Amino acid sequence: KAGVTQTPRYLIKTRGQQVTLSCSPISGHRSVSWYQQTPGQGLQFLFEYFSETQRNKGNFPGRFSGRQFSNSRSEMNVSTLELGDSALYLCASSFSANTEAFFGQGTRLTVV
Amino acid sequence: AQSVTQPDIHITVSEGASLELRCNYSYGATPYLFWYVQSPGQGLQLLLKYFSGDTLVQGIKGFEAEFKRSQSSFNLRKPSVHWSDAAEYFCAVGAGPSSGANNLFFGTGTRLTVIP
Repeated sequence: KAGVTQTPRYLIKTRGQQVTLSCSPISGHRSVSWYQQTPGQGLQFLFEYFSETQRNKGNFPGRFSGRQFSNSRSEMNVSTLELGDSALYLCASSFSANTEAFFGQGTRLTVV
Repeated sequence: AQSVTQPDIHITVSEGASLELRCNYSYGATPYLFWYVQSPGQGLQLLLKYFSGDTLVQGIKGFEAEFKRSQSSFNLRKPSVHWSDAAEYFCAVGAGPSSGANNLFFGTGTRLTVIP
């Protein structure tokens, strides 16, 4: 069974640009969550999608958004990039609510 | 609100020695608890989870953890550490069965160094 796939693995963007990251969950999993990992703030929850609906949202500005498609694949978008958005963005896939989450390898975003 | 404390930022152990990584959580209801491991530049791998039932849970790679409600702790243990166990370890708490939410709150992590 394939794991969680995140693309791209690495990304370099300029301040002010926008970026879209993609996540394909484990087959059969309907919940996709996104996390930001930085040395200063650690692992922080961004949002969760379940059956194409955002079910839960962390404390991030509106520049961070996401969506989920009917095949459960998810994308997250960050607009008007700031230097502080440089981070490892991790996607996690779960079968349903309150089940274990399996993480992808992450997308390393560098904003210059 | 949930929170997780991992009091040890960095631990060094000798190969073959035993290991215990500490985790304390704060949550008003029955939590779901997890331990994840992360190698440099990689994602998180689930080591073990506690949802309910037996408070001593077994995981992969020879790890185990014990849930102690009275101490709000979920410490990770391994009887004999291997050099390949060197990594960063994260304890996480989920919202539990009543919430319907799937977000995790993570501790700040404990970096494990294994010396030969």
